[in-house]
Amino acid sequence: ETGVTQTPRHLVMGMTNKKSLKCEQHLGHNAMYWYKQSAKKPLELMFVYSLEERVENNSVPSRFSPECPNSSHLFLHLHTLQPEDSALYLCASSQVLGFSSYNEQFFGPGTRLTVL
Amino acid sequence: AQRVTQPEKLLSVFKGAPVELKCNYSYSGSPELFWYVQYSRQRLQLLLRHISRESIKGFTADLNKGETSFHLKKPFAQEEDSAMYYCALSSLATGKLIFGQGTTLQVKP
Repeated sequence: ETGVTQTPRHLVMGMTNKKSLKCEQHLGHNAMYWYKQSAKKPLELMFVYSLEERVENNSVPSRFSPECPNSSHLFLHLHTLQPEDSALYLCASSQVLGFSSYNEQFFGPGTRLTVL
Repeated sequence: AQRVTQPEKLLSVFKGAPVELKCNYSYSGSPELFWYVQYSRQRLQLLLRHISRESIKGFTADLNKGETSFHLKKPFAQEEDSAMYYCALSSLATGKLIFGQGTTLQVKP
């Protein structure tokens, strides 16, 4: 599959579980992002990586831990989540991290997470 | 503070009717604005960007700096336009996107 892929597409976990979400982009981009999409809130930017370095952490609880081993892969490690963390988690990538009208973000299909 | 506001959570129109999805922003400086769309069971994707001044799928959006608005318009809605639409602003400082709450457009036959 081309573009941005995410696995798994659906995940159900208990509050004591540890799981990881994976994102992979095949576009040769240098910036990657994690977003949270909840039913009643706008898209929330969680983390931003540029050239494998974290450049943004929007006050996200420590139970979410990102990892970017290389420019093509991004992980979100989950540990002792709460039911209110249930949401669609979207990964995105862009050519670079920077201000540009042409620096389009490409999104993955998302992982639907349910925390019981 | 940088903010994007989409006042309508749901907009329902009949096929062939004009559509206007509202977007207002708060930003100090020259903004870069976008509309993203998410069709049912598809991923979020870019619809159009204001700098291009283009028309995509019959949609246009004009940046009005005086009213700090970037409304999305289409003269004749089609059923396939039914989707979730997000207005977004690109931050000069960080390059990251700030999204509005989204508006669901429902086009009825």
